[in-house]
Amino acid sequence: AQSVTQLGSHVSVSEGALVLLRCNYSSSVPPYLFWYVQYPNQGLQLLLKYTSAATLVKGINGFEAEFKKSETSFHLTKPSAHMSDAAEYFCAVSDRASGGINYKLTFGKGTLLTVNP
Amino acid sequence: DAGVTQSPTHLIKTRGQQVTLRCSPKSGHDTVSWYQQALGQGPQFIFQYYEEEERQRGNFPDRFSGHQYPNYSSELNVNALLLGDSALYLCASSRDRYQETQYFGPGTRLLVL
Repeated sequence: AQSVTQLGSHVSVSEGALVLLRCNYSSSVPPYLFWYVQYPNQGLQLLLKYTSAATLVKGINGFEAEFKKSETSFHLTKPSAHMSDAAEYFCAVSDRASGGINYKLTFGKGTLLTVNP
Repeated sequence: DAGVTQSPTHLIKTRGQQVTLRCSPKSGHDTVSWYQQALGQGPQFIFQYYEEEERQRGNFPDRFSGHQYPNYSSELNVNALLLGDSALYLCASSRDRYQETQYFGPGTRLLVL
């Protein structure tokens, strides 16, 4: 069974500082990996996804993530935090059938990012 | 282009009642998935519908059932509500194609008293 572990339920950074949110996964097949962001009282918005192309994936709002197979990691980074980045971030792995069609997403428990002025 | 829409936005029910939540997928999408997000947790997969059939199901009891209509919209039904069913219910839609992304709606917040 696939699973996702997000290290750190709460990360606090200063505005302008580096953002690093950690995600490790377990999967018996090459995974599809995703980062979603959830603002208060809203649904999930896709930040970026890895689908076995380039290992460094660039997403929206200046975020990027690097797939490291040897470390089974997919950490999310942003060089300079902005106040508007304060939200909850979820890492997810896709449970792919043999045909490669997306089926369910398995999510981590989330990391709440706060940005201090 | 409208995204994924869900109704109602909020709902209050009492234990033992039944509830129906509705979802309209993003234009061009034919697959609908439902997730339950308890407070402070990540979303948990309930089931996925494609071509009006339940294609995959998560670890949820039979009290949770669904339906997909020919226009691809979907319903989630929960019978015999328990206090533990209080959560945000998220609908996600996608195209049934390789590497397609699931797009989420704003959710329905259900409170069971």
